[in-house]
Amino acid sequence: NAGVTQTPKFRVLKTGQSMTLLCAQDMNHEYMYWYRQDPGMGLRLIHYSVGEGTTAKGEVPDGYNVSRLKKQNFLLGLESAAPSQTSVYFCASSSPGQGIEQYFGPGTRLTVT
Amino acid sequence: GENVEQHPSTLSVQEGDSAVIKCTYSDSASNYFPWYKQELGKRPQLIIDIRSNVGEKKDQRIAVTLNKTAKHFSLHITETQPEDSAVYFCAASKGSNYQLIWGAGTKLIIKP
Repeated sequence: NAGVTQTPKFRVLKTGQSMTLLCAQDMNHEYMYWYRQDPGMGLRLIHYSVGEGTTAKGEVPDGYNVSRLKKQNFLLGLESAAPSQTSVYFCASSSPGQGIEQYFGPGTRLTVT
Repeated sequence: GENVEQHPSTLSVQEGDSAVIKCTYSDSASNYFPWYKQELGKRPQLIIDIRSNVGEKKDQRIAVTLNKTAKHFSLHITETQPEDSAVYFCAASKGSNYQLIWGAGTKLIIKP
């Protein structure tokens, strides 16, 4: 049981490049989330999904897109990376039947130069 | 929308002493308040949570108290140990999709 995994662990992009971050969970959770974490600002929700085929905007969605084609996967895309998107990205999942606890992946450290 | 403020941003205590971290929230409809611990370079992990129908919850050395009238909740850690050094985040939620609004975090330093 791997829990929540994220790919890649580290990435360096040049301004204007695109990339996709992959989150996978094997706990059969309905809900999945993408956060970014910046020093002194805690965790900010980018997008979330309450089920396969559904997505919704969070607190800071601009510059990001997401897709949830399969229940176990949640993809975060950056179409045209900007230095302001340098951050640590965490994926999380939860299930309403299991006490609301969000289980986090190990994070992806993204640097945009 | 909901806003969660967390204080202090850094807390340094002597090993063995108690630590208290406080959070206030703005939306009176919030009904779920978790606390997460994040060790350096690691992922956040839930350590304790409380729902709005309970005033206090305890788990060994950690406890959380909730004052709905004042809209604030606190994390209490007693007999602090070196392994308690970490960043602690509070959060609040009200919706059925369980979106969490997070505080900015408190860096807890345990001095030997």
